[in-house]
Amino acid sequence: DIQMTQSPSSLSASVGDRVTITCRASQGIRNDLGWYQQKPGKAPKRLIYAASSLQSGVPSRFSGSGSGTEFTLTISSLQPEDFATYYCLQHNSYPALTFGGGTKVEIK
Amino acid sequence: QVQLVESGGGLVKPGGSLRLSCAASGFTFSDYYMSWIRQAPGKGLEWVSYISSSSSYTNYADSVKGRFTISRDNAKNSLYLQMNSLRAEDTAVYYCARGVVGGPPDYWGQGTLVTVSS
Repeated sequence: DIQMTQSPSSLSASVGDRVTITCRASQGIRNDLGWYQQKPGKAPKRLIYAASSLQSGVPSRFSGSGSGTEFTLTISSLQPEDFATYYCLQHNSYPALTFGGGTKVEIK
Repeated sequence: QVQLVESGGGLVKPGGSLRLSCAASGFTFSDYYMSWIRQAPGKGLEWVSYISSSSSYTNYADSVKGRFTISRDNAKNSLYLQMNSLRAEDTAVYYCARGVVGGPPDYWGQGTLVTVSS
């Protein structure tokens, strides 16, 4: 089974900060990775697919990078509406999916 | 627009059964594979089950294999999850999600809460 290790599990940041979240796969998954944002009481929303492709309608301050086993989600300038929990998801082992443990982004 | 609406959650005793439904609209349901994904209170996301567009192939997480059954009715644009022998650790919000070939699920429903408790 492919394991996804996401870090950090939480972080505190200020509006305007650059934020980076990392996911590491236990084996190579090419670019079969997505990133999701989840706000309390809401369903996850897809931000990134294919490791670096921006979902339509998602602000360009969000970007993804990586391939193989190391992946990064970057928020270039954190906005108030970005405080949420972020998850990576690998689908290389389709149809089984594996999520990272999540990163909660809180206001400093 | 794409809509997925789950229903059927509730409180059930350990060992009991529950059937979840997911009503789809705004897209050609029969063209897409579907998944169920759950989230225990205060915890992360866990993939539960998958069904292909024609129902020819299904797959389950080890944690639910043999207890849960996924199915769909393309004529009714509906997805189902039959949950038997429920355990306390099955307590979670259950989401249905639309699958994308070669990509991670794109649209999710709002979820339905299942609570397993005596």
